[in-house]
Amino acid sequence: AQKITQTQPGMFVQEKEAVTLDCTYDTSDPSYGLFWYKQPSSGEMIFLIYQGSYDQQNATEGRYSLNFQKARKSANLVISASQLGDSAMYFCAMTDTGRRALTFGSGTRLQVQP
Amino acid sequence: DAGVIQSPRHEVTEMGQEVTLRCKPISGHDYLFWYRQTMMRGLELLIYFNNNVPIDDSGMPEDRFSAKMPNASFSTLKIQPSEPRDSAVYFCASSHGTGGKSSYNEQFFGPGTRLTVL
Repeated sequence: AQKITQTQPGMFVQEKEAVTLDCTYDTSDPSYGLFWYKQPSSGEMIFLIYQGSYDQQNATEGRYSLNFQKARKSANLVISASQLGDSAMYFCAMTDTGRRALTFGSGTRLQVQP
Repeated sequence: DAGVIQSPRHEVTEMGQEVTLRCKPISGHDYLFWYRQTMMRGLELLIYFNNNVPIDDSGMPEDRFSAKMPNASFSTLKIQPSEPRDSAVYFCASSHGTGGKSSYNEQFFGPGTRLTVL
């Protein structure tokens, strides 16, 4: 069975600084995908970044990068140059070939301070 | 392109009433997912469909919940009878299926339906 663990219920970061949100995962399937979603206070779910288990390089999307450490089963999200608009809940999630649906972690609430 | 469309956006009902939530996936997507978000349980899968066929309904709480996908452009989630503990945000999401090794299937979420059962 899949499992996603996010151990940081809340994080604070100063505007323009970088922040790392932690995520560890567990699956027995060698083929899996890791996702990060952002949920602002308005409630919508916004896809940020994807990392496949066979991808050789860490994924990057603008200010977002995913620090993928396969042996440690971690998929941390790094946000560079934080902006006030980054304040939101962030969810780590995964799928594998046995289950197309997303399994979510409990989320991390990020607050960016001016 | 229109994204995933859900209706209604908000629903307030009384315990015991029937509730029907609706979803129109993105055209061309062959996977459709229903998730529920609560403070206590977080985001959890209820059921998902592939090519209109239910694949995994293990997350459906009990017989009071049912979901259908009569065609590729429409799905419903029905709760009958509703209970206060069903109060939550219900998300519908859709995605392309992909073959091969990759498990990549970015899911596009609708805006959600906020259900309150009094």
